[in-house]
Amino acid sequence: KAGVTQTPRYLIKTRGQQVTLSCSPISGHRSVSWYQQTPGQGLQFLFEYFSETQRNKGNFPGRFSGRQFSNSRSEMNVSTLELGDSALYLCASSLGGARDTGELFFGEGSRLTVL
Amino acid sequence: DAKTTQPPSMDCAEGRAANLPCNHSTISGNEYVYWYRQIHSQGPQYIIHGLKNNETNEMASLIITEDRKSSTLILPHATLRDTAVYYCIVRVLNTGGFKTIFGAGTRLFVKA
Repeated sequence: KAGVTQTPRYLIKTRGQQVTLSCSPISGHRSVSWYQQTPGQGLQFLFEYFSETQRNKGNFPGRFSGRQFSNSRSEMNVSTLELGDSALYLCASSLGGARDTGELFFGEGSRLTVL
Repeated sequence: DAKTTQPPSMDCAEGRAANLPCNHSTISGNEYVYWYRQIHSQGPQYIIHGLKNNETNEMASLIITEDRKSSTLILPHATLRDTAVYYCIVRVLNTGGFKTIFGAGTRLFVKA
């Protein structure tokens, strides 16, 4: 079955712009979580969604937001981009709910460069 | 979620066992230990997880100490393709959501 799909894979933006990243989870997975990876800070948890509800959020400013749709696909948005937002943004899906083993399936990521 | 501590890097000879330690001294009774690895420029890949018993799958073995304050991931016969960053994380498995806190991981170099 298809893995986690993230689009776009690469993108370049300028400071002040906004960006939307998309994540399609594995079929049947209802939980989607997002991570930011930078050389300096490593992998950092952004937020987690289940059944269109954000259940947990990491320590990121309000410029970072997300949502989940009824088909479990998720998007994250970063507004008013700053140079420090340049990073690899990773999405992971899991079953969610009572059957969840906690195993996360990651996509290949969206690499954002802010100029 | 509890924090984990791992050595920043390790070397291993190809064909030998790679033993990667992880300290999670503040782990709670309901937190599981998970291991992932990340090969350069790819998304992390799940390896194995456990609560208190030792676990084994086709990729690796996980040894958790009796007090659960540390664990060791064992790659029985390391190959060059096992060169990656290995992350040990702990998290609660429940229906109320989660925060996955990754540490810096261990960069494993498998040498021919």
